[in-house]
Amino acid sequence: DIQMTQSPSSLSASIGDRVTITCRASQSINSYLNWYQHKPGKAPKVLIYAASSLQSGVPSRFSGGGSGTDFTLTISSLQAEDFATYYCQQTYYSPRIFGQGTKLEIK
Amino acid sequence: EVQLVESGGGLVQPGGSLRLSCAASGFSLRYFEMNWVRQAPGKGLEWLSYIRSSGDTIYYADSVKGRFTISRDNAKNSVYLQMNSLRAEDTAVYYCARETGSKDYFDYWGQGTLVTVSS
Repeated sequence: DIQMTQSPSSLSASIGDRVTITCRASQSINSYLNWYQHKPGKAPKVLIYAASSLQSGVPSRFSGGGSGTDFTLTISSLQAEDFATYYCQQTYYSPRIFGQGTKLEIK
Repeated sequence: EVQLVESGGGLVQPGGSLRLSCAASGFSLRYFEMNWVRQAPGKGLEWLSYIRSSGDTIYYADSVKGRFTISRDNAKNSVYLQMNSLRAEDTAVYYCARETGSKDYFDYWGQGTLVTVSS
């Protein structure tokens, strides 16, 4: 099965910082890569789909890039509400594997 | 407004069974693929199962294959997850999620239902 590896697994940052999370697939997934934000007690929320498309209603400080096996999620200027866990997910193959998550914490 | 509402969670003994339901409203389920995802305490999101809009294609994660069964009733706008031979490690919040788009992403999720497997 395909493997999805996210890094880092946790990250401490300050309000206003620019942060980048990476996701690597064990084989090419074209651009079938999505990013989700998950807060405790809430449903996960899609931020970026198809590697770089911003979901409607998501702030433009979120952006995604990459193709093939290497992808990034960038938050250009962290806001208080961005502290959460972020997951990448591939949907090129079934199983629709998620990465292990990146917990973004306040420094 | 699009909504997904899971139900059917609860406390069950190891080896027992539960049937989760996911009721959709605000859209017609018949046009969408659906998935189940779970999050165990302190763990990340784990994709479990997929069912095509017509119901003719189904996939499972290895961790639940042979024990869980996904199904759908488009007339009732609902998706189900029958869970048998439950284990302690199946303890988790279970979410249903709608899949959409040409590149297949999960655009709507339910709030989740908690399943606890314990004696």
